[in-house]
Amino acid sequence: GAGVSQTPSNKVTEKGKYVELRCDPISGHTALYWYRQSLGQGPEFLIYFQGTGAADDSGLPNDRFFAVRPEGSVSTLKIQRTERGDSAVYLCASSLTGAGNTEAFFGQGTRLTVV
Amino acid sequence: DAKTTQPTSMDCAEGRAANLPCNHSTISGNEYVYWYRQIHSQGPQYIIHGLKNNETNEMASLIITEDRKSSTLILPHATLRDTAVYYCIVSRSSNTGKLIFGQGTTLQVKP
Repeated sequence: GAGVSQTPSNKVTEKGKYVELRCDPISGHTALYWYRQSLGQGPEFLIYFQGTGAADDSGLPNDRFFAVRPEGSVSTLKIQRTERGDSAVYLCASSLTGAGNTEAFFGQGTRLTVV
Repeated sequence: DAKTTQPTSMDCAEGRAANLPCNHSTISGNEYVYWYRQIHSQGPQYIIHGLKNNETNEMASLIITEDRKSSTLILPHATLRDTAVYYCIVSRSSNTGKLIFGQGTTLQVKP
């Protein structure tokens, strides 16, 4: 596709449930990023993939959050035992290489609501 | 990564230039200055970036002071569609997609 695609666009889940959020990056982009944005705040970095491996997961808030990118393309952010505080817009971005002089392209985000 | 300071909000008249300032006094030599914006309910959008020299593209101009401690994003002829939150971000050259967003500047372009 032409841009970064995220599905679903909206997700409502009950407290304690498990959710998966999907990101399709721009074809050929080796770097992929997940961010979380709470209402009225700037996006907050969660994790960075270079190819298939998580190069930097320092932003994941706790062990309920996990992300994979098994073939170096599509990525899935997984949240276990969801809490109401997990409600936010989850943004995915990709860039050609991730290093030196490149821009990141963001998707429209998945709005997660935990009730 | 160096921290940035931006005004919380600004207004601009449609058709006039919008000048958005940013302070990044702790920037180091290998860090780029990036500007992104976020229109309501959309993902952030890249605008422009620079290291030392001033830069211009079809969207905006970026003026970086000689000591690199501050910069200004210039939208030469603001339109209503430029109403958005503008983020000034300093990012290391080794990982320019790991962006530390602050609160940004909410720019309101008025008719």
